Amino acid sequence: GENVEQHPSTLSVQEGDSAVIKCTYSDSASNYFPWYKQELGKGPQLIIDIRSNVGEKKDQRIAVTLNKTAKHFSLHITETQPEDSAVYFCAALRGSGGYQKVTFGIGTKLQVIP
Amino acid sequence: GAVVSQHPSWVICKSGTSVKIECRSLDFQATTMFWYRQFPKQSLMLMATSNEGSKATYEQGVEKDKFLINHASLTLSTLTVTSAHPEDSSFYICSAPPGTSVNIQYFGAGTRLSVL
Repeated sequence: GENVEQHPSTLSVQEGDSAVIKCTYSDSASNYFPWYKQELGKGPQLIIDIRSNVGEKKDQRIAVTLNKTAKHFSLHITETQPEDSAVYFCAALRGSGGYQKVTFGIGTKLQVIP
Repeated sequence: GAVVSQHPSWVICKSGTSVKIECRSLDFQATTMFWYRQFPKQSLMLMATSNEGSKATYEQGVEKDKFLINHASLTLSTLTVTSAHPEDSSFYICSAPPGTSVNIQYFGAGTRLSVL
């Protein structure tokens, strides 16, 4: 099955700086990579995703890059704000052939210091 | 985006009682829903896949008689924790993929279960 490794487990940045979270996956058949943000006491919220036919995707201050050859993908948050503080999870799965189990990384707790 | 509603958000119960958690897709139909369990400061662990009109598929190590899942309609799945014990205390989260977006999943807000 799929195995997703995520690092760092915790990350502290100053407000306005950038934050980068990295994940690697093991299943070369995985082709869909979502990122979720989970605030304390709430369920995960999809913030951005990328498919294997794309190398980079950007949505305002958030971007995700994918290197299929190396089997790793990263989340980049620029101009961080205190409200970006949360736990971020990466995930990998095969986005076809019926619903597949989502394999999550262990999560990264991001703290943005005002 | 699609909305998944989960109820209750927090429940406290006595040991030995049963607790039902509801997961509803509000603006789309979901033939499949997923139930996760999350321990403090840990990732989400898939417990079971709920299938409308058929039996749920449980992950290895999850007791199906302990965690009863019913997916009676295209918008509602329920998880019942039977004879709850303190070790069942956890954060339970459901998710559902909209029918037109294969494998894009939307999560409920979660239910915090505390068993005394």
